[in-house]
Amino acid sequence: KAGVTQTPRYLIKTRGQQVTLSCSPISGHRSVSWYQQTPGQGLQFLFEYFSETQRNKGNFPGRFSGRQFSNSRSEMNVSTLELGDSALYLCASSGGGAEDTQYFGPGTRLTVL
Amino acid sequence: QKEVEQNSGPLSVPEGAIASLNCTYSDRGSQSFFWYRQYSGKSPELIMSIYSNGDKEDGRFTAQLNKASQYVSLLIRDSQPSDSATYLCAVNAFYGGSQGNLIFGKGTKLSVKP
Repeated sequence: KAGVTQTPRYLIKTRGQQVTLSCSPISGHRSVSWYQQTPGQGLQFLFEYFSETQRNKGNFPGRFSGRQFSNSRSEMNVSTLELGDSALYLCASSGGGAEDTQYFGPGTRLTVL
Repeated sequence: QKEVEQNSGPLSVPEGAIASLNCTYSDRGSQSFFWYRQYSGKSPELIMSIYSNGDKEDGRFTAQLNKASQYVSLLIRDSQPSDSATYLCAVNAFYGGSQGNLIFGKGTKLSVKP
């Protein structure tokens, strides 16, 4: 079975711009979660989608948003980028009977200049 | 606030030794516990999950759970240089009865010296 895929793998943006990241879960998985990883804060939960609905949300400003499509693929969007948004953004999927076990994609490395 | 605590390390062990990694969590209602391994520049990779008190073994890895003490550990037997990585403890947070997200510790960096 193919794993979780994320595109793009690397992004460089400037302050004030917006960015969209994409995640395709493992086939058959309906839940997609997004995390931000930085050296100082570690892995922090952004939000989780299940069947096109946001089921949980972390403590991030409204500039961070996401959505999920009917094929379970998910996107997250960050508007008005700030320097502090530079991070590794990780997507994880779960499902197929083991709903609480999350498998991570390779991540998107975002650098904001 | 639900928290997961790990010693940041680095933990240095000689090749062939047992590496012991520890984790405590604050939410007594947590039911699912996970260990992930993350190599530098890579994404987390699931090593083990554990749900019941006691030990769970998988090859060279043993996870131990003690819910009364809110404590999870990972033992790596016969440590190899390829085990050198950051090990992340994660606990599933449930909200209002529905499955929630994972709360991660900040990880313990393990270095296995040849």
